[in-house]
Amino acid sequence: RKEVEQDPGPFNVPEGATVAFNCTYSNSASQSFFWYRQDCRKEPKLLMSVYSSGNEDGRFTAQLNRASQYISLLIRDSKLSDSATYLCVGLNAGGTSYGKLTFGQGTILTVHP
Amino acid sequence: DTGVSQNPRHKITKRGQNVTFRCDPISEHNRLYWYRQTLGQGPEFLTYFQNEAQLEKSRLLSDRFSAERPKGSFSTLEIQRTEQGDSAMYLCASSSDANQPQHFGDGTRLSIL
Repeated sequence: RKEVEQDPGPFNVPEGATVAFNCTYSNSASQSFFWYRQDCRKEPKLLMSVYSSGNEDGRFTAQLNRASQYISLLIRDSKLSDSATYLCVGLNAGGTSYGKLTFGQGTILTVHP
Repeated sequence: DTGVSQNPRHKITKRGQNVTFRCDPISEHNRLYWYRQTLGQGPEFLTYFQNEAQLEKSRLLSDRFSAERPKGSFSTLEIQRTEQGDSAMYLCASSSDANQPQHFGDGTRLSIL
């Protein structure tokens, strides 16, 4: 079983739609979590950090449930420019692997007119 | 541009040749990471440095792979006797601390003929 698992999609949604991505993790050593965005043939870019209390950045809301080992990302009012691959990422919290990132497979989102 | 810089952007070589990639991290970042990404997958951790010390190497990093960061600034990743399976995007990232988000370079895309 992969340490971080995501539904690869693809998700095809119209502009203005609300879309939610889910991610589960199995490594309890992962202490911090992030969502990264990756455009086709580009490098991953940090979208937002994820906290247990939930956090919001404009149209994006991320949530972490440690009891269920579950992470989510909600995108409201989707724009064409949101089309990308969204990577769920855990950061190892201790030992020699402290700071190592573990990525999910990525979820592909396509927003169409 | 003060982001993470990688070169070359693309490398095409014949099987059996040696290749070397370079990464220049964000200047104040003491942590430097190498990842590998194949099509349809998220990046996979290869190795990382804190300053000039290489602290962990993944099992993915066979003895044909070697990485250095001699002065704690730029890093090189060398692959000897390349194989078809080495074809991938090689990504470098840096961070100011273990628990801080990592910022990625554009990557080096390696194609083995």
